[in-house]
Amino acid sequence: NAGVMQNPRHLVRRRGQEARLRCSPMKGHSHVYWYRQLPEEGLKFMVYLQKENIIDESGMPKERFSAEFPKEGPSILRIQQVVRGDSAAYFCASSPSRNGELFFGEGSRLTVL
Amino acid sequence: SQQGEEDPQALSIQEGENATMNCSYKTSINNLQWYRQNSGRGLVHLILIRSNEREKHSGRLRVTLDTSKKSSSLLITASRAADTASYFCATDSVGNTPLVFGKGTRLSVIA
Repeated sequence: NAGVMQNPRHLVRRRGQEARLRCSPMKGHSHVYWYRQLPEEGLKFMVYLQKENIIDESGMPKERFSAEFPKEGPSILRIQQVVRGDSAAYFCASSPSRNGELFFGEGSRLTVL
Repeated sequence: SQQGEEDPQALSIQEGENATMNCSYKTSINNLQWYRQNSGRGLVHLILIRSNEREKHSGRLRVTLDTSKKSSSLLITASRAADTASYFCATDSVGNTPLVFGKGTRLSVIA
């Protein structure tokens, strides 16, 4: 049973470009969470999705950031017009139930030049 | 938003010693979880303790929860060099809010 798969593992973008981060949850998991982590910091909640629905996006900036979890395919975190402050590690986690044990991917590390 | 705060921020011990990390939080919770993160990797779930539980064990891990003090501790006994990692507590408060993580304790176990 494959774990949570995130890609790309590393992504470099110039200011103003778009970043798309993908997350395939574990088989049978319909709950997906996105977190952001800065160096030497904890994880900051961004968004919680359950197949085709955004349940809680209270941690996601109102502009430039969006997330989806379509019926078919991976969950996508999209950052438009990236700025240097967006540089961080973005982690996806999945769960078979709401707020049970979270299974994390290895993260996508975004660097904005 | 509610956040667990781990203490200490960093801890360095000799192999074989016990390591104790503490977590405090602000509001009533449904459960509290501990996670481990090796450098450059994703988080791995260690243990979940529910608000009506006071202590839980898993191998060399022992977690306690004191809801009156809004605090939890993670004890790793007979530590090994491979236990070197950052350890995070995470809480979800009543009302099913998403898991909120603290800033973590960086544990170094010296062989």
